[in-house]
Amino acid sequence: QVLLEQSGAEVKKPGASVRVSCKASGYTFNTYGISWARQAPGQGLEWLGWAIPYSGTSDIAQRFQARVTLTTDTSTNTAYMELRNLRSDDTAVYFCARSTTNCLGCWFDPWGQGTLVTVSS
Amino acid sequence: QSALTQPASVSGSPGQPITISCTGTSSDVGSYNLVSWYQQHPGKAPRLMIHEVNMRPSGISYRFSGSKSGNTASLTISGLQAEDEADYYCTSFAGSRGLVFGGGTKLTVL
Repeated sequence: QVLLEQSGAEVKKPGASVRVSCKASGYTFNTYGISWARQAPGQGLEWLGWAIPYSGTSDIAQRFQARVTLTTDTSTNTAYMELRNLRSDDTAVYFCARSTTNCLGCWFDPWGQGTLVTVSS
Repeated sequence: QSALTQPASVSGSPGQPITISCTGTSSDVGSYNLVSWYQQHPGKAPRLMIHEVNMRPSGISYRFSGSKSGNTASLTISGLQAEDEADYYCTSFAGSRGLVFGGGTKLTVL
């Protein structure tokens, strides 16, 4: 069974950084990508970027390029999303999802359970 | 404001068909056959229902189908069931912009 298990909820102050983890199991981690998206309370989904474990590369959505870093650790089958200089409008549930390695937009399946990041002073 | 336009809500009675539209531009939906649809129940993670316009993953009911014409993609659910009540999101590859989402459609089963 393919499973993505994310780290727990976080509460951060404005200006701080947060790192969310996404541990994969049930498949060969190196043969798929990991994408990240977020969902603000009561809002729709927004794509952040994706990371390719076997190459160590990532592609970040333009509006997040200055603040987001995506990394993967093939020794622990874990992907990480770091968001810096947090603002109140970064409050959202952050999701990871398995994707292909060579076709962004082909599919995301499955998704992690989500991690709530709350930014508040 | 989302890059792809979806109706905020649609509704239908059990057994009836419904269609949700997803309108983009010639830079995303119109240029690539990389439209996906996701179902999301409240408080849950999204679930892949359709990928690459009309491909149905293993385990997804035949009642779900996808299509595309020009800059508009569509998700059709035939034979509506109570458990289909959820939010539905479309996505499309958008070249240098990466991946774009629709704003989501709330489906109500009457």
